[in-house]
Amino acid sequence: GAVVSQHPSRVICKSGTSVKIECRSLDFQATTMFWYRQFPKQSLMLMATSNEGSKATYEQGVEKDKFLINHASLTLSTLTVTSAHPEDSSFYICSAISGTSSYNEQFFGPGTRLTVL
Amino acid sequence: GNSVTQMEGPVTLSEEAFLTINCTYTATGYPSLFWYVQYPGEGLQLLLKATKADDKGSNKGFEATYRKETTSFHLEKGSVQVSDSAVYFCALTSNSGYSTLTFGKGTMLLVSP
Repeated sequence: GAVVSQHPSRVICKSGTSVKIECRSLDFQATTMFWYRQFPKQSLMLMATSNEGSKATYEQGVEKDKFLINHASLTLSTLTVTSAHPEDSSFYICSAISGTSSYNEQFFGPGTRLTVL
Repeated sequence: GNSVTQMEGPVTLSEEAFLTINCTYTATGYPSLFWYVQYPGEGLQLLLKATKADDKGSNKGFEATYRKETTSFHLEKGSVQVSDSAVYFCALTSNSGYSTLTFGKGTMLLVSP
C-alpha cells in the first residue's frame, strides 16, 4: 500500500520556539494532505486540509497563524507550530490522498510527538 | 452533519475471547465506513473498510458489515490475541467532495494472556 512518512517522529522544544514537521508521500503523489491533532486517549481532530500549490483550509477554531501549513509539492506538506507553548504539546498526524485512488482512501503517517517545555 | 459513535472502553478480554466493538453513525447520503487501528505510539493503520450497504470488510480475522438499516458497522473478531491490544477507531467519509474522515472517539482494547 501507499506509504506516508513524518519527520521528526519526536521533538522536544522550548516554549516560544517554532517547530516544523514534515509529511511525505513516499511512493505516490498526494493531491491532498490532512493534518490532525490527537490528545492523549482521545480521537483525532482534523486541523486543516492542504492541497498542493494552494492555501490550506483550516477547521473552525484552529489558528492559521499559529499552525502554518505549506504544501509545496505533490509529495511534501509541512506543519510549522510557531511560538510553541506547552498547551501545543500533542501528537500530530498527517494523512494523504492519492490522486489515483478510486476510494479516496487516506494513508496515515506514523505521527510526530511534540513536547513543549 | 456526520458523526460516529463508538462504545467506550477500555474493553478488557482474555486471549481467544470473542470481540465486538459497536459503532453507529449518522451521515447524509451513502458514506464509506472504515475501521482504523492505532498501536501505542504509532499512527493509524487502516484495518478494513466497506463502501456500500451490506458489504463486509475483513482483514486479519477482523470483520465488520455495513448495515444501512441500523446505521451500524460493528467490529468483530472470533478469537483475539494479545497483539490485538490497541485503540480502534470507527470512521466514515461522505462520498461527495473531499474525503474528510469523521472519527469516533476510539475504543481501547486490552487483551491479557
